[in-house]
Amino acid sequence: DTGVSQDPRHKITKRGQNVTFRCDPISEHNRLYWYRQTLGQGPEFLTYFQNEAQLEKSRLLSDRFSAERPKGSFSTLEIQRTEQGDSAMYLCASRFEGVMDYGYTFGSGTRLTVV
Amino acid sequence: DAKTTQPPSMDCAEGRAANLPCNHSTISGNEYVYWYRQIHSQGPQYIIHGLKNNETNEMASLIITEDRKSSTLILPHATLRDTAVYYCIVISQAAGNKLTFGGGTRVLVKP
Repeated sequence: DTGVSQDPRHKITKRGQNVTFRCDPISEHNRLYWYRQTLGQGPEFLTYFQNEAQLEKSRLLSDRFSAERPKGSFSTLEIQRTEQGDSAMYLCASRFEGVMDYGYTFGSGTRLTVV
Repeated sequence: DAKTTQPPSMDCAEGRAANLPCNHSTISGNEYVYWYRQIHSQGPQYIIHGLKNNETNEMASLIITEDRKSSTLILPHATLRDTAVYYCIVISQAAGNKLTFGGGTRVLVKP
């Protein structure tokens, strides 16, 4: 297991198009988090899953955003009808709930550019 | 989760120790202090965390004051590859445990 994988690394899309990102967490991790980061800012929390259950969503996650983790393994984040303000780095992180001995492991992110 | 305050930027000479301060005066008893760093265009990388005691690992040392209201991350021998944004985060053991990032400290290691 090589850590948290995100695909694609870069995505350029036209405004109004739908995009989907994928995150493959560390296999034994039951918690999966999505963050968004704009230039010069720290990452902002979007949502998280415990196994397949989506337990919390940020107010940043508008109706155009949806996330799934169907089998408690990989997760997808979909943005419908993209807007230029959606341009950002989308980061995924995972951890094993209950174990505070280790940090959260982040992927390298998907950089979205909406033109 | 408690908020943290960090200086926005600092420079450090290569080979010297870098001491990064963090204020978390509203921290509560069950909240941990985590440090992450983010090198340009990469995801955040875990460095170290602690609850009450000072901690050391292969990357850094974490010094937490006795009242736990502040902490210092020490990079003992900074290298150019340590140039990054360093985030100090306080997090509880409550459900979710989501990390809340502030602005961090932009550290530039100079030759």
